[in-house]
Amino acid sequence: EAQVTQNPRYLITVTGKKLTVTCSQNMNHEYMSWYRQDPGLGLRQIYYSMNVEVTDKGDVPEGYKVSRKEKRNFPLILESPSPNQTSLYFCASSSAGFQPQHFGDGTRLSIL
Amino acid sequence: LAKTTQPISMDSYEGQEVNITCSHNNIATNDYITWYQQFPSQGPRFIIQGYKTKVTNEVASLFIPADRKSSTLSLPRVSLSDTAVYYCLVPTSGTYKYIFGTGTRLKVLA
Repeated sequence: EAQVTQNPRYLITVTGKKLTVTCSQNMNHEYMSWYRQDPGLGLRQIYYSMNVEVTDKGDVPEGYKVSRKEKRNFPLILESPSPNQTSLYFCASSSAGFQPQHFGDGTRLSIL
Repeated sequence: LAKTTQPISMDSYEGQEVNITCSHNNIATNDYITWYQQFPSQGPRFIIQGYKTKVTNEVASLFIPADRKSSTLSLPRVSLSDTAVYYCLVPTSGTYKYIFGTGTRLKVLA
């Protein structure tokens, strides 16, 4: 089954403790992206990747890092999480940058 | 910077046609406009995509006027299960950096 898989689905952690949210797709897609969703602010893009080793900033990249060492994986790294990064995070992928994106089921992060 | 706005909410009755408009002020000639549906606690789900005039698939139609400063998602004969939040998504002109619309909460009434 074609899918975008995020892990973990839920995480409660503390300020400053490094964490990684993994994202994996099984569709051989070139384009991958991370979004965060917040009440009143909607969905905003954090980072995106056009292909392996090619990443670029979205609208809200501060406090986040990404890497694209393999085509199928696009982890989101929070080196020193802060409470304002408490949010619902979605990973997405598409076969090319202009094609419709397939979204994962989301990761709910709470930073205390 | 691309900015996209949508009505906050809409109510409709089952069986009616619903039109949701998204205003986007800065997209390039060949940029695609994409619409998604989102249910609570789920990721957005693709509905339809186009870049000019009219596109139709089995669930919706998308109308894009010549000036491309807006687009309208049309849902024919909505049902209760269409109650969801609908988003447009457009790229920042010339890039694949994306901006979501503000979202429209559609409530379908029996």
